[in-house]
Amino acid sequence: EPEVTQTPSHQVTQMGQEVILRCVPISNHLYFYWYRQILGQKVEFLVSFYNNEISEKSEIFDDQFSVERPDGSNFTLKIRSTKLEDSAMYFCASIPGQGYEQYFGPGTRLTVT
Amino acid sequence: QKEVEQNSGPLSVPEGAIASLNCTYSDRGSQSFFWYRQYSGKSPELIMFIYSNGDKEDGRFTAQLNKASQYVSLLIRDSQPSDSATYLCAGITSGTYKYIFGTGTRLKVLA
Repeated sequence: EPEVTQTPSHQVTQMGQEVILRCVPISNHLYFYWYRQILGQKVEFLVSFYNNEISEKSEIFDDQFSVERPDGSNFTLKIRSTKLEDSAMYFCASIPGQGYEQYFGPGTRLTVT
Repeated sequence: QKEVEQNSGPLSVPEGAIASLNCTYSDRGSQSFFWYRQYSGKSPELIMFIYSNGDKEDGRFTAQLNKASQYVSLLIRDSQPSDSATYLCAGITSGTYKYIFGTGTRLKVLA
């Protein structure tokens, strides 16, 4: 069964460093998402991406964040200058069409020290 | 601010009982709703989705939607200890791309 994959599973970085989180969505899906979940808190929408551009983003997704689909299969989230409060699980998700059920990847645990 | 509200729990039920999980939403434009199960440290796993008023059954799970009351529920019949997890309710408004998640309800099924 097709699934969303994410790498790395765990990333440790120092405050101020740049990180890139990688996702490979399900191959025939058209819409891609990044979410964040701080430990013990809710899943928070960051950004949605369709047709090679951002379709919607949350107030969390400020200038420190960017997304890219560099090669037609990978979907990346870059955080330019990490802060301690960026420590969280980051989930990628994809859907085949607007409004459909989302399929989540296993997540990347980001720890900023 | 569009919100999806859930009681954080924990909701404790004995093995074999029916677990009832509830969710309310603030946006009347919300069209589709999704229930996910999340084990600690893992990603959300889709259980069911519902678009229409009424009930939708899938195995031991039944989702219920009442758009007039802005209420969604999930019933788990014959609850098993392996059902112990956090259950997330999510909604999306037609014409948007943003899925709004509730905080989740922690379910404990006691053997």
